[in-house]
Amino acid sequence: GAGVSQSPSNKVTEKGKDVELRCDPISGHTALYWYRQSLGQGLEFLIYFQGNSAPDKSGLPSDRFSAERTGGSVSTLTIQRTQQEDSAVYLCASSLYRGPDTQYFGPGTRLTVL
Amino acid sequence: EDKVVQSPLSLVVHEGDTVTLNCSYEVTNFRSLLWYKQEKKAPTFLFMLTSSGIEKKSGRLSSILDKKELFSILNITATQTGDSAVYLCAYSTSGTYKYIFGTGTRLKVLA
Repeated sequence: GAGVSQSPSNKVTEKGKDVELRCDPISGHTALYWYRQSLGQGLEFLIYFQGNSAPDKSGLPSDRFSAERTGGSVSTLTIQRTQQEDSAVYLCASSLYRGPDTQYFGPGTRLTVL
Repeated sequence: EDKVVQSPLSLVVHEGDTVTLNCSYEVTNFRSLLWYKQEKKAPTFLFMLTSSGIEKKSGRLSSILDKKELFSILNITATQTGDSAVYLCAYSTSGTYKYIFGTGTRLKVLA
């Protein structure tokens, strides 16, 4: 059984460019989370999807950030007009039920904005 | 404003030592507190605590929550080099499944 996968594992981009980060949750998991972790910092909540409910977007830092979850499975986090402060590791997690005891994290995407 | 603070920020010990990591919180409508271990990128779930005074235990790791004094501790006994990692705590509040993380404690265990 595959775990949560994310792609790409590393992304280097130039300031001002758009980037898309992908998360494939564990099959059947209804909840999906995006977090951001800057160097030496804890995990910063970005967005949470649960089934067909409206996502909780309260953690998105600006309107340059958006996320979609198609068909209740794969999710894409898009950052438009990237800035250097967007450089971080972006982690995705999924869970079967509501609750962290089954929350599994992916390996993350390291984004570097030059 | 809700917040969670972990201490110490970093810790260096020798194999066999016992360590205590602290997580204090100020949260409205607290629901649960969680501990994670992060070695590379992906955090690994350790414990979820919702009730005060009830210890959760897994091998050499244990954790307890004090809802009156608003803190939790994570204990690791007989530490091993494989325990070297960043330990994160997080809380959730009623009505949401959003988790807010602390900045973590970086533990290094020397052989």
